[in-house]
Amino acid sequence: DIRMTQSPASLSASLGETVNIECLASEDIYSDLAWYQQKPGKSPQLLIYNANSLQNGVPSRFSGSGSGTQYSLKINSLQSEDVATYFCQQYNNYPLTFGSGTKLEIK
Amino acid sequence: QVQLQQSGAELAKPGSSVKISCKASGYTFTSYYISWIKQTTGQGLEYIGYINTGSGGTNYNEKFKGKATLTVDKSSSTAFMQLSSLTPDDSAVYYCARGPYYSSYIYEGWFAYWGQGTLVTVSS
Repeated sequence: DIRMTQSPASLSASLGETVNIECLASEDIYSDLAWYQQKPGKSPQLLIYNANSLQNGVPSRFSGSGSGTQYSLKINSLQSEDVATYFCQQYNNYPLTFGSGTKLEIK
Repeated sequence: QVQLQQSGAELAKPGSSVKISCKASGYTFTSYYISWIKQTTGQGLEYIGYINTGSGGTNYNEKFKGKATLTVDKSSSTAFMQLSSLTPDDSAVYYCARGPYYSSYIYEGWFAYWGQGTLVTVSS
């Protein structure tokens, strides 16, 4: 199975700041990577697919980048509604696997 | 609009089985596979497998073979997951999600639509 190592596990930032979340795959996943946002008690919501494509309706302050084994999610101008847990997911190989999550809080 | 409506919370005894449903609407049911995902606080998100909603073919994560059985009823646009021989480790929120999508030249392995989740609690 492809292991997805996500960091940091938790993150505290101020409103208006820029934050980065990283995901490292145990092998090349050829940009077959998605990012999700999950708020407490809710289902995950797709933010980014194909490593850098923004899902319809997602604010442009979210962006994704990376290739090979290293990927990142960037959130510009942090808003209060961005408080959530963020997950990466690879779909290059089965079984599909997820990162362990990054819990984002406002400082 | 696309919706996946899951059945309600289950409280089950160790050794028993539960069957969760996922009713799809707002799109052509057989155009997308349905996947199932387990979420626990300790293990995070784990992929259980998918069912081809057209043919009924399945692809299971090895970890869940013998634990989960995926089926589909095309007439009602509903996917099902049965969990058997339940133990406390099976206590989790289970999600269905639309995908993956396969066509001649396209593969989409991400999940743009998820059910609301079904909480399964295994306790004596």
